[in-house]
Amino acid sequence: AQKVTQAQTEISVVEKEDVTLDCVYETRDTTYYLFWYKQPPSGELVFLIRRNSFDEQNEISGRYSWNFQKSTSSFNFTITASQVVDSAVYFCALSEPPNDMRFGAGTRLTVKP
Amino acid sequence: EAGVAQSPRYKIIEKRQSVAFWCNPISGHATLYWYQQILGQGPKLLIQFQNNGVVDDSQLPKDRFSAERLKGVDSTLKIQPAKLEDSAVYLCASSSAPDAGWEKLFFGSGTQLSVL
Repeated sequence: AQKVTQAQTEISVVEKEDVTLDCVYETRDTTYYLFWYKQPPSGELVFLIRRNSFDEQNEISGRYSWNFQKSTSSFNFTITASQVVDSAVYFCALSEPPNDMRFGAGTRLTVKP
Repeated sequence: EAGVAQSPRYKIIEKRQSVAFWCNPISGHATLYWYQQILGQGPKLLIQFQNNGVVDDSQLPKDRFSAERLKGVDSTLKIQPAKLEDSAVYLCASSSAPDAGWEKLFFGSGTQLSVL
């Protein structure tokens, strides 16, 4: 069965520090999809990025970057120059078609001014 | 574009009482999901609808939980009778795709249920 592990329960950094959120997954499928969602205090999960299992190219979007490595089954998320508004719970998720999406337990990030 | 609407935002009930949650997905989204998020955990899928048909309810405790999506738009999730362990946030999400494989999900703000 698929599984997503986010070993970091809570992380606290000071504004402008870089921070990396780890995500390790397990799956037997060759085709799968990986996601990151952000859950701010308001409660709704907000989509950040998705990757399919055949695309290991890393991605950068502003201060956010993602490192996908199939060799280590990891899909890590880095925030550069963190800001207070980045404070939230971040979830990594693994989806195996057609419709089985599993979320990790989440990492609570606190960015202090 | 309006997002996924959920109500109520908070609900407090005593055990053995019943409760219902409502969700209105993004207009045109055929697929609707109900997730349960227990404090400190990630969301867990309870049920998935495509239009008004159930695609997956394998993790729905059917002895006490029920859900419907009449006319393929709004949905309600009911718990009867509630147990203490049902205390959680109940999230509704929708997607324009027929499955959760690739498409991103749009989530509502959830209903926080406390069972005393």
